[in-house]
Order: sequence, then C-alpha cells, then structure tokens
Amino acid sequence: DAGITQSPRYKITETGRQVTLMCHQTWSHSYMFWYRQDLGHGLRLIYYSAAADITDKGEVPDGYVVSRSKTENFPLTLESATRSQTSVYFCASSESHEQYFGPGTRLTVT
Amino acid sequence: ILNVEQSPQSLHVQEGDSTNFTCSFPSSNFYALHWYRWETAKSPEALFVMTLNGDEKKKGRISATLNTKEGYSYLYIKGSQPEDSATYLCALMTTDSWGKLQFGAGTQVVVTP
Repeated sequence: DAGITQSPRYKITETGRQVTLMCHQTWSHSYMFWYRQDLGHGLRLIYYSAAADITDKGEVPDGYVVSRSKTENFPLTLESATRSQTSVYFCASSESHEQYFGPGTRLTVT
Repeated sequence: ILNVEQSPQSLHVQEGDSTNFTCSFPSSNFYALHWYRWETAKSPEALFVMTLNGDEKKKGRISATLNTKEGYSYLYIKGSQPEDSATYLCALMTTDSWGKLQFGAGTQVVVTP
C-alpha cells in the first residue's frame, strides 16, 4: 500500500528552467492538492483538483501549471523557475474531509 | 482568503506539564475545522476533524474543542511528552469552498525533558 508518493524528493534547479514535480496516489481519491510551505504562512494552496480533468487555482497559483489526466497523478510544473519558488512542496489527496499528505519535495532554485 | 489565526506561534513546555493553544477563524459559512500534527522533516498528519458546535475530540493525551458560533478551537495536550514536540496546524473548510482547506500558520510546541 504505497499511499501517496512524490518525486523527486530533492531538486536543485536554475532560475528560468522548467521543473515538474510529480505526485501519485493509490487510493483513487477524487481530490488532490498542491501546497507550498512558507515560513510564517504554514501551508499555502497552489492548485487543487476535484477530479480528473478538473483543476482550479488556490491562493498562490502564479508561475505554476497543473494537469490531471488520470485520477492517480497530479503533476505540478514550474514553467520558468524563480528564486521565490524555493520551498518545500507537499501534495495531498482526499476523498471527503481528511487530507493525506505526501512526503514533500524540497526544491531549491539557484 | 480566510483569516485563520493560531496563537501562540510557539511555546516551550516542560515534560509532564499540560498546555493548550488556540485556533480562531471566521464563523460564517463554517463546515469543518481540522487539526494536523506536523513533525519536523515529516508530513502533516490529521489529528481531528470537527464539524459540530460543541464538538470535543480526544486521541490519547491530546484533545480538542470547537466553538463555531464564536469561531475558535482549542487543542489541549495533557502531561506533555518529548514526542509531542511538533507544529500543530488548524485548517478551516467552509461551505462555499468545500474540499479546500485554509491553514493557519501553526503553533510550534517544544517539550523539554
């Protein structure tokens, strides 16, 4: 039972590069979310998805793109990475209330 | 963006002492209030999901209460142990943003032996 996984776990990239963070869940949960962890802000929602092919913006969507062609996958793409996108990114999934979080991806943009 | 506030930002507790901290939120359109425990270098894990005014939930030495009319929830830790050291997050779900959570910034608890 793998649950929810993220890859890569660590990534260093340069400013201006495109980066894709992967999220995969094995529960067939309808909802999936991407958060970033920022000091003083806790977790901030970037994008979320209520089902395959349905996505919507969260609190901080600028500079990010998502897709959800399959229920189990929810990749997050930084189209042109900036230093301000250095953060820890968490993916989560949910069927109703409780959200289950992946292990996180630590991204550093140099 | 909903204003979910947690206080204090951090607190230090002696092992064996009890402690509590607060989550405050706008009371309109309330649907559910979540508490998560987040240990360093790990992922947040759900502690409680509370939906009814007056709800009280308990898991071991940790308990929580909810007042939806005045917009606050308390989390209590009885007889704190070093393994209780973590950041505790509350998160609000409203009727007009079902499925989405607005997180507070968290209360960091450090329990010293």
